[in-house]
Amino acid sequence: DTAVSQTPKYLVTQMGNDKSIKCEQNLGHDTMYWYKQDSKKFLKIMFSYNNKELIINETVPNRFSPKSPDKAHLNLHINSLELGDSAVYFCASSQWSGQGERGNTIYFGEGSWLTVV
Amino acid sequence: AQKVTQAQTEISVVEKEDVTLDCVYETRDTTYYLFWYKQPPSGELVFLIRRNSFDEQNEISGRYSWNFQKSTSSFNFTITASQVVDSAVYFCALRGGNMLTFGGGTRLMVKP
Repeated sequence: DTAVSQTPKYLVTQMGNDKSIKCEQNLGHDTMYWYKQDSKKFLKIMFSYNNKELIINETVPNRFSPKSPDKAHLNLHINSLELGDSAVYFCASSQWSGQGERGNTIYFGEGSWLTVV
Repeated sequence: AQKVTQAQTEISVVEKEDVTLDCVYETRDTTYYLFWYKQPPSGELVFLIRRNSFDEQNEISGRYSWNFQKSTSSFNFTITASQVVDSAVYFCALRGGNMLTFGGGTRLMVKP
């Protein structure tokens, strides 16, 4: 069973379109994240949700809107896509810090390759 | 603020050589966790190891070993007898609270 799964894995779309990436985790974690990896492989956090509440929002354009219907899901919706949004987006999950050794590991999905043309 | 620096952007070795990937970090937290992740050419991020700030014991797992030195804020990763399958980008990361901060990654190329 995949611990953190995200769909789609590949997405090619035109500028100006709106698209969503879905993420689900079956690890029983209460915290989920979205990370962006740019063309130089640099990984940067975008958002973090704990128990469906936004706790980290790292200067991401308003066109990006995360939605967490429950603590096992964190979807990323992107409006009016731009060329610069082309990247790999990683979903991840962990247990809230302080809940034990194992819970402090952040597990990642396989990534979603977004190409905006 | 947290910062992780991986000064080596790219390393190339010949199979069976030993290689060490360097990681230096900065944090004001007294309790924190350090990680190494591997990103093979297929693109996924694979968790390799976690070390908490109170545990400075070195760890060995097969051909992999990690050297954590709090005095120099370093958490280096050594691969012994490297293999072609070790070719990947390796990321060092630091977690304080709920924020995981990554270094810029080191691309390791192991040639046959």
